[in-house]
Order: sequence, then C-alpha cells, then structure tokens
Amino acid sequence: RKEVEQDPGPFNVPEGATVAFNCTYSNSASQSFFWYRQDCRKEPKLLMSVYSSGNEDGRFTAQLNRASQYISLLIRDSKLSDSATYLCAARFGNEKLTFGTGTRLTIIP
Amino acid sequence: NAGVTQTPKFQVLKTGQSMTLQCAQDMNHEYMSWYRQDPGMGLRLIHYSVGAGITDQGEVPNGYNVSRSTTEDFPLRLLSAAPSQTSVYFCASSRSGRASYEQYFGPGTRLTVT
Repeated sequence: RKEVEQDPGPFNVPEGATVAFNCTYSNSASQSFFWYRQDCRKEPKLLMSVYSSGNEDGRFTAQLNRASQYISLLIRDSKLSDSATYLCAARFGNEKLTFGTGTRLTIIP
Repeated sequence: NAGVTQTPKFQVLKTGQSMTLQCAQDMNHEYMSWYRQDPGMGLRLIHYSVGAGITDQGEVPNGYNVSRSTTEDFPLRLLSAAPSQTSVYFCASSRSGRASYEQYFGPGTRLTVT
C-alpha cells in the first residue's frame, strides 16, 4: 500500500461549482501535511499547509482527519484558473516528504 | 532571488552514458532534495540532503549519486543511463532541517534515455 494515496481523477467540474478531494495516508505517525498545485509541464508549488484545526485561504479549505487518516481540500466557486493537478504530501519522521500521485482537476466553462 | 534553478531543461542520453543534472538555490536553504516524476507514479524521492556534506537515500536511489559540497549546489549524477530513468527530474529546497517548511521546486529537467 502506498504511503499517500489520491484518486487520480480526472475531475471535470463546471465553473462556479464546489469540488473536494481526499488524500489518505498510511503512517499514523505522520506529522505535517500539505497540498501542492502543479500546472501542466510546470513544477509543483505549495498551495497550503494543513493544520489539525483546519485552515482556509480564500476559496480553499484544507482539513485533517487524524482518526481516519486523511486530508481533504475543498475548492469553492471554482474558476477556470483552478484547472491543475493537486498533489497532497505528508511528512513522516525526519525531513522526507512523501507525495501522492496527484488528482487532476479540469474546470469546464 | 532566482530561487531554485536547474540545468539543463531538456536532455537526451543514450543508454550507458553518464551525466550530471545541476541544481542550485540562492535562498540559503539547508534542506535540498531530488525527485523524479513519472505518469501515474507521482513524485518519488531519489536523494536528499539536510546540509552541506550530508546526504541520504530516498525511495528510489539506485542508479543515482549525489554530493553536497556547498549549501547552494546539489548535483544529481546518473552513472550509466538506462531507459527506465526517462523521467522529469525536480530539485527542491527548504529551510533548515524540517520538511514541514515550504519546499520550493526548480523548473525541472526532462530526461529521455534511448
């Protein structure tokens, strides 16, 4: 079983809709969690860190559920510019960051 | 600041050739790492370094060597290229010691081994 798993999608969502992704992790000792965004043929860029209390940044909300070992990303009022691949990542132990395979999102006009 | 830079952007190698992928950062980050990204496999950690003179293996280290003689540079060497090493390679860096800090990625090197 992979340490971090995501539904690869694709998710095709109409503009203005709300979309949510989940990402599960297998190591209960993992300590830090992140969502990265990757545009086609570009490098990943940090979208947001995920805190135990949950956090919100504009239209984006990230949640952590330690009991069920998953993190989630909610995008409200989706824009065409949100089309990208979203990677979740988790830190286990020292320094190493493990990524999921990514979820591809396409916002349809 | 240039951030994280990688060269070359594209490279084609023949099986058995060796080469070095260059990575540099100007943010005085202590932590640097190399990933490869393949379709359906996500980003997989090859090697990482928590500071000059210190390196360690990641998930897929075979066929690759690294060294970290300065804080700024973290080159990745392919010893004898194989078609299985065809991939996109990303270098990343972050502040000292903890991957909980944001990792900044370079633009990537697209490598094809024929």
